[in-house]
Amino acid sequence: EVQLLESGGFLVQPGGSLRLSCAASGFTFSNYVMSWVRQAPGKGLEWVSSITSRGGSTYYADSVKGRFTISRDNSKNTLYLQMNSLRAEDTAVYYCAKDGPDSSGFYYHDSWGQGTLVTVSS
Amino acid sequence: DIQMTQSPSSLSASVGDRVTITCRASQGISSYLAWFQQKPGKAPKSLIYAASSLQSGVPSKFSGSGSGTDFTFTIRSLQPEDFATYYCQQYNSYPFTFGQGTRLEIK
Repeated sequence: EVQLLESGGFLVQPGGSLRLSCAASGFTFSNYVMSWVRQAPGKGLEWVSSITSRGGSTYYADSVKGRFTISRDNSKNTLYLQMNSLRAEDTAVYYCAKDGPDSSGFYYHDSWGQGTLVTVSS
Repeated sequence: DIQMTQSPSSLSASVGDRVTITCRASQGISSYLAWFQQKPGKAPKSLIYAASSLQSGVPSKFSGSGSGTDFTFTIRSLQPEDFATYYCQQYNSYPFTFGQGTRLEIK
């Protein structure tokens, strides 16, 4: 059974930094693209970032580009999101997602973690 | 970026009803569309990928169709556990984008 367990969410001041982690189990982590998706309170889902299976390519939403860095440690089965220069609008639940390939080899979010709350406030 | 327009934003229906949600992409995305269900306070759950393929373990009462720019998602014979918010998402190209969601409520 796929399990994704996020951690690291906290209350942080504007301009501060935070690193989120996602511990994966139940599948061969190093074979899959992984993503972060967030949801501000009372709002919809927003894709944040994705990273290829070996970490060779990364992708970001414009809203976080230059401030957030996605990375992974395949030896530890763990996905990370380093968040710098945090703003109030980054306040959200952050979900880790495993991206599985469809029959065409395109990747979609097939499994989700339970999320971790990041609050940016003074 | 590809914009995803989902409608309606909210929908009231009764147990046993059949409901349909639509999602339109601002440009063609072939069949690279997924649908997710989210219940209050819970993580999203994958229901459909590739526009019409059912995620493993998801009941066949859920279905999807479409390609290019226009897509539909249907739930037949609504049950109390189906009342939730549903999102479409294109995964044709980065940045992936979601529809704004459809809140399905009990009438």
